[in-house]
Amino acid sequence: AAGVIQSPRHLIKEKRETATLKCYPIPRHDTVYWYQQGPGQDPQFLISFYEKMQSDKGSIPDRFSAQQFSDYHSELNMSSLELGDSALYFCASSGNGLAGTYEQYFGPGTRLTVT
Amino acid sequence: AQKVTQAQTEISVVEKEDVTLDCVYETRDTTYYLFWYKQPPSGELVFLIRRNSFDEQNEISGRYSWNFQKSTSSFNFTITASQVVDSAVYFCALSDMDTGRRALTFGSGTRLQVQP
Repeated sequence: AAGVIQSPRHLIKEKRETATLKCYPIPRHDTVYWYQQGPGQDPQFLISFYEKMQSDKGSIPDRFSAQQFSDYHSELNMSSLELGDSALYFCASSGNGLAGTYEQYFGPGTRLTVT
Repeated sequence: AQKVTQAQTEISVVEKEDVTLDCVYETRDTTYYLFWYKQPPSGELVFLIRRNSFDEQNEISGRYSWNFQKSTSSFNFTITASQVVDSAVYFCALSDMDTGRRALTFGSGTRLQVQP
């Protein structure tokens, strides 16, 4: 079965640079979520989109922005990167509970290292 | 506010032992979902189970079983006859349904090490 695809898998950036992470949800899933997992920590919710509209916002820094496109893929844009942004970034997708399910299926993650 | 507590930071067992991972949650919502995810050393998050707040039936799937008790706000996970491949960090998570906010609130995770 198709899974959530994230690219790139690894990314190394310097402080103050920008980064763009991409997420391709499971086909027919209409909701995308972004999470950040720091070393040794639990995943923290950043932001979500339902049918291309922002549906919820968590602890996402103002330096970060995200959007969901017409083909349902999503991108997380990160600017003015800081050392503390080094983390594993997960994208997850789910159905809407009407025709689908509430389970969030996670992609393999993008490991961002800021030097 | 929602909160998920996994008091066991790390558990070490020998292969074939049974092990129970504890999860206690707090929420003001009447409708919510509870989840368990597995994060092996490779880093991905693997969905294991979802439980609805209105369904307190316990569930068994192979060597895995889950005990949901609303009275104690607990959703514990038992692995029977543990195997080395079970070594991973296990996260319990909660999703609020009353407001439709479906973002997951995770516990801090329990690292399980199964020794051969």
